[in-house]
Amino acid sequence: AQRVTQPEKLLSVFKGAPVELKCNYSYSGSPELFWYVQYSRQRLQLLLRHISRESIKGFTADLNKGETSFHLKKPFAQEEDSAMYYCALRGASGGSYIPTFGRGTSLIVHP
Amino acid sequence: KAGVTQTPRYLIKTRGQQVTLSCSPISGHRSVSWYQQTPGQGLQFLFEYFSETQRNKGNFPGRFSGRQFSNSRSEMNVSTLELGDSALYLCASSLGPGETEAFFGQGTRLTVV
Repeated sequence: AQRVTQPEKLLSVFKGAPVELKCNYSYSGSPELFWYVQYSRQRLQLLLRHISRESIKGFTADLNKGETSFHLKKPFAQEEDSAMYYCALRGASGGSYIPTFGRGTSLIVHP
Repeated sequence: KAGVTQTPRYLIKTRGQQVTLSCSPISGHRSVSWYQQTPGQGLQFLFEYFSETQRNKGNFPGRFSGRQFSNSRSEMNVSTLELGDSALYLCASSLGPGETEAFFGQGTRLTVV
């Protein structure tokens, strides 16, 4: 069964500090991995996906198949980065191709 | 363009009743997915519809069902409601099945009493 683990429920940092939100996954195949973000009072939205290898709002994430991780990083946190972040994997399960989400990490960036 | 619209926004139902939730996708999007979000289980995938056909299904009991109409609008139905069905139900639309660029609605908050 596919599984996504975000070990930290809450991550608190100061503005300008580096940020790393951890995501580990379990999947017996080649996964599609994503990060979603939900700002206060806004809808859940896609932040980035591993296949596009892009940097969005200064965030990057590298798929490490050896460590089965897809950590989200930003070198200098901004207050507007405060939000809930969800790591997700899309893979085959029981004849379907479905997304599985982690429980989310709440990032708080203090001024 | 208008985003994904879910109606109603809030709903209170009694155990044993059934409920129907509606989702209107972004114009031009033909795929609609449904999710259940609870504090205990987090965000869980229910099912995905494309061209009026269910393409993918999560691990939920048969009480949870859905359908999609020719205009891509989708409904999900939960029969014989249980207290544990209280949740935020989200729908997301995308151009096609499995598209990762999915746009989410604001959700329907269902409370079962």
